[in-house]
Amino acid sequence: GENVEQHPSTLSVQEGDSAVIKCTYSDSASNYFPWYKQELGKRPQLIIDIRSNVGEKKDQRIAVTLNKTAKHFSLHITETQPEDSAVYFCAASRSQAGTALIFGKGTTLSVSS
Amino acid sequence: GAVVSQHPSWVICKSGTSVKIECRSLDFQATTMFWYRQFPKQSLMLMATSNEGSKATYEQGVEKDKFLINHASLTLSTLTVTSAHPEDSSFYICSARDQGQPYSNQPQHFGDGTRLSIL
Repeated sequence: GENVEQHPSTLSVQEGDSAVIKCTYSDSASNYFPWYKQELGKRPQLIIDIRSNVGEKKDQRIAVTLNKTAKHFSLHITETQPEDSAVYFCAASRSQAGTALIFGKGTTLSVSS
Repeated sequence: GAVVSQHPSWVICKSGTSVKIECRSLDFQATTMFWYRQFPKQSLMLMATSNEGSKATYEQGVEKDKFLINHASLTLSTLTVTSAHPEDSSFYICSARDQGQPYSNQPQHFGDGTRLSIL
């Protein structure tokens, strides 16, 4: 089955700096890669996703890059703000109906002002 | 947009009690729903895949007799934690995708989760 590795486990940055979180996956058939932000005690919130037919996707301060050959994908947050502080999870899955998301272990991002 | 409702949001009960958690897709149908468990400061771990009208598929290490899953309709899946013990205390969360839409357009929708505390 799929295995997703995520690094780093914790990341501290100053407000305005960039933050990068990296994930690798094992199943070469995976083709959907979402990123979630989770605040304490709440559901994960989808912040951006990418499918294997593209190498990069951007939404304002957030971007995701995908390297299918190397089986890794990364989340980039620019101009970080204190409200970006949260736990971020990457995930991977195949696109067939009924296929679950497999999550990385998470990264706790702390943005200090 | 698509909404998944999960109930209850918080349960505190005594050891040995069985607890049922409901997961409903409110405005779409889902032949498949997923149940995850999240311990404090850890990731979401897939427990099982719930299939409408058939048996659930459990992940390795998850006891199917302890975590009973029923998916009797296209909008409802239930997870029953039987004879719960303190080690079962966790955050349980379900998810589903609107399978009436092309996969490429639809992310997974998560419920709000159920915090289960066994005394």
